[in-house]
Amino acid sequence: QKEVEQDPGPLSVPEGAIVSLNCTYSNSAFQYFMWYRQYSRKGPELLMYTYSSGNKEDGRFTAQVDKSSKYISLFIRDSQPSDSATYLCAMSRPSGGYQKVTFGTGTKLQVIP
Amino acid sequence: DTAVSQTPKYLVTQMGNDKSIKCEQNLGHDTMYWYKQDSKKFLKIMFSYNNKELIINETVPNRFSPKSPDKAHLNLHINSLELGDSAVYFCASSQVPGQGPYGYTFGSGTRLTVV
Repeated sequence: QKEVEQDPGPLSVPEGAIVSLNCTYSNSAFQYFMWYRQYSRKGPELLMYTYSSGNKEDGRFTAQVDKSSKYISLFIRDSQPSDSATYLCAMSRPSGGYQKVTFGTGTKLQVIP
Repeated sequence: DTAVSQTPKYLVTQMGNDKSIKCEQNLGHDTMYWYKQDSKKFLKIMFSYNNKELIINETVPNRFSPKSPDKAHLNLHINSLELGDSAVYFCASSQVPGQGPYGYTFGSGTRLTVV
């Protein structure tokens, strides 16, 4: 079983829709939870990070963490064609005095005008 | 521009050759990484250096050898290239991983194709 599971999609939605992206994980040692966005032929860029269970909002984006269920989500409101990208969840845990980061496989999102 | 820059962007080479990829960051970060992203977009850590010291060395063939001449540079040398080495290699940097949250700043990637 992979430490981090993420549905690869692709996910196609009409412009203006609410998008829900999810990851599950198996290791309760994960402490920090992150979402990255990766446009085609570019490096991933950090969108949001959270530490504890609960919600964190930044503009049209909301990150949600449920540690009891080992489940994290990213919601995108009023989705735009420019949101079309691959979204990778990532989470980190202590390892040898450092934080070791594990990425999900990414969900490809297409927002259709 | 503050960034993580890596060269070359594209690399096409024959099996058995030796090649190097270079990475530089001007963000003042102490930690740098090499990641490999396969055709299914899975990002896998290869190496990490903290202030020139190797701190993460995942199960990677010893044909891959990282080198960090200073904390702003991290290079990757690959000997005897194989078809399976074809992938996108990303360099990244971050502040010293410690008690607080942190995120990576990634370069644009080097698309390696071995023929």
